[in-house]
Amino acid sequence: DGGITQSPKYLFRKEGQNVTLSCEQNLNHDAMYWYRQDPGQGLRLIYYSQIVNDFQKGDIAEGYSVSREKKESFPLTVTSAQKNPTAFYLCASTTQGTTEAFFGQGTRLTVV
Amino acid sequence: QKEVEQDPGPLSVPEGAIVSLNCTYSNSAFQYFMWYRQYSRKGPELLMYTYSSGNKEDGRFTAQVDKSSKYISLFIRDSQPSDSATYLCAMSFNTNAGKSTFGDGTTLTVKP
Repeated sequence: DGGITQSPKYLFRKEGQNVTLSCEQNLNHDAMYWYRQDPGQGLRLIYYSQIVNDFQKGDIAEGYSVSREKKESFPLTVTSAQKNPTAFYLCASTTQGTTEAFFGQGTRLTVV
Repeated sequence: QKEVEQDPGPLSVPEGAIVSLNCTYSNSAFQYFMWYRQYSRKGPELLMYTYSSGNKEDGRFTAQVDKSSKYISLFIRDSQPSDSATYLCAMSFNTNAGKSTFGDGTTLTVKP
């Protein structure tokens, strides 16, 4: 089955730790995205990548980092510089010329 | 002021009711208008999209765009308990769907 796989589903982080969220797609899509969703709020774009080895900051990139070494993979690292990291993180991918973004099932990150 | 404002809800209706979900926007350059459905603790999935002004129907769902008023709507006829979800409107300038601007979502509950 084609789709986007995010792991883990739930993640707990201690203050001061970096954590990495995984996102893998087998849709052969060129572009991949990371969003953050807070309760009662829409999706806010963190980072996106339109081709391998290239990525751009979205609206709320501070405290996050990404890499795009393979077309299929776009991991997100939440660094200790992110002051309020508790949120639901969604990864998405798109193919050129379409209006549909395909989303993973999300990772819920909680700082303990 | 946000670029996209969505009726906040929550909305609770009896089964069989007609539901109207609405968004307004401020940027007249938006050309593509999408509605995503998001079940609890899941990623959003595209429900419908419309290019420019007009109506689009898909089964019990109708998407309506009025660019002159900067107003979009999603109508659900004969609502079912399985329609209970959060509905997100999204808009983009082009077919780069991953860079859409999302509304905050309206949570709908359809009671049997």
